[in-house]
Amino acid sequence: GAGVSQSPSNKVTEKGKDVELRCDPISGHTALYWYRQSLGQGLEFLIYFQGNSAPDKSGLPSDRFSAERTGGSVSTLTIQRTQQEDSAVYLCASSLGPGTPGDEQFFGPGTRLTVL
Amino acid sequence: ILNVEQSPQSLHVQEGDSTNFTCSFPSSNFYALHWYRWETAKSPEALFVMTLNGDEKKKGRISATLNTKEGYSYLYIKGSQPEDSATYLCAFNTGTASKLTFGTGTRLQVTL
Repeated sequence: GAGVSQSPSNKVTEKGKDVELRCDPISGHTALYWYRQSLGQGLEFLIYFQGNSAPDKSGLPSDRFSAERTGGSVSTLTIQRTQQEDSAVYLCASSLGPGTPGDEQFFGPGTRLTVL
Repeated sequence: ILNVEQSPQSLHVQEGDSTNFTCSFPSSNFYALHWYRWETAKSPEALFVMTLNGDEKKKGRISATLNTKEGYSYLYIKGSQPEDSATYLCAFNTGTASKLTFGTGTRLQVTL
């Protein structure tokens, strides 16, 4: 079956503009995660969705960042009024969810965001 | 330690060399330790998910061990090949379906 897909693969935007990043998880995976890697940094957790539960937003760096997951499947990460420090590779991952031993997370190819 | 630490930061070996990397993580509230290989412009690829103290896993020329009591894991590559060149990430989580906390990775370059 298909893996996790993300779009766009690359996005260049001007400072102050809003951007939307999309993630299509693996079918049947109930858990969905967003991470990002800024230049010279490790992968950093942003937000996590599990089924119909309230998302864990503890990793979002500011209120300019938001995400939603419609119908328990596709997720969109929105960054408003982008800043240069938002430039990073944004990765989405999905997993089967609670009760799965180890609960391996499968990653998409990422969206490289550049804010000029 | 509160974070995941990996060493070395980078490594350059010749084809045929064997090598190993270290990952240190908090030993409290441990659920699983994950190793990923990440090649440029590709998705991070899961290598191992390890949950039990003393676990040893192997996939081809790559193997990993886990010590949850002291909070470390080793990744070994036997007979390195140029296609092994990538960044190797380790991460841990504290429960099923929970966020991963990543180290900054070990960047491996294998030359002929």
